[in-house]
Amino acid sequence: QKEVEQNSGPLSVPEGAIASLNCTYSDRGSQSFFWYRQYSGKSPELIMFIYSNGDKEDGRFTAQLNKASQYVSLLIRDSQPSDSATYLCAVNFYAGNQFYFGTGTSLTVIP
Amino acid sequence: EAGVTQSPTHLIKTRGQQATLRCSPISGHTSVYWYQQALGLGLQFLLWYDEGEERNRGNFPPRFSGRQFPNYSSELNVNALELEDSALYLCASSLADYSNQPQHFGDGTRLSIL
Repeated sequence: QKEVEQNSGPLSVPEGAIASLNCTYSDRGSQSFFWYRQYSGKSPELIMFIYSNGDKEDGRFTAQLNKASQYVSLLIRDSQPSDSATYLCAVNFYAGNQFYFGTGTSLTVIP
Repeated sequence: EAGVTQSPTHLIKTRGQQATLRCSPISGHTSVYWYQQALGLGLQFLLWYDEGEERNRGNFPPRFSGRQFPNYSSELNVNALELEDSALYLCASSLADYSNQPQHFGDGTRLSIL
């Protein structure tokens, strides 16, 4: 059973702080990792993807991947109230090209 | 560039009826995926189509089916609707190089079963 797990939260951070979202997965063969943001009642929106071990930065967002420990994280710097949403971690386990999504972490940024 | 488009936005049916949901992928994308997101639950993979063929399906009964047309658009059919089929149905598309390509989602069809 290939699984992707996230802490459901809710996670609350003050405006301007760093929000840290974590995701673990069960398959060492996984190669592609994605973070999506989903506002209530809306569809998931791609934030970042990462394939290699290490950090990948895009604006206020940094994705971190550690394949040996089987986790991927998303850091949001200078958090804004508009970042309040549910963040979904997705892993492509390749076999069958099937994306497995975590259940999401709810983030609230407090003004 | 137009994103993934889905229709209808909302669909209301009664138990036992059949529903058809439609999806047009981003131009140039050949793979289309369908997901079910029930209230408070995560995304559950339904179906993957590429080049007109069903490539993979999730753990759903056969009454969930679909197809992909030559223009890469797709439709999802749900037969013999049950109350628990009420959910947001999301379509996503990606480029053909599946392994490293992100999926881009449409706005979804909210299906309500009365």
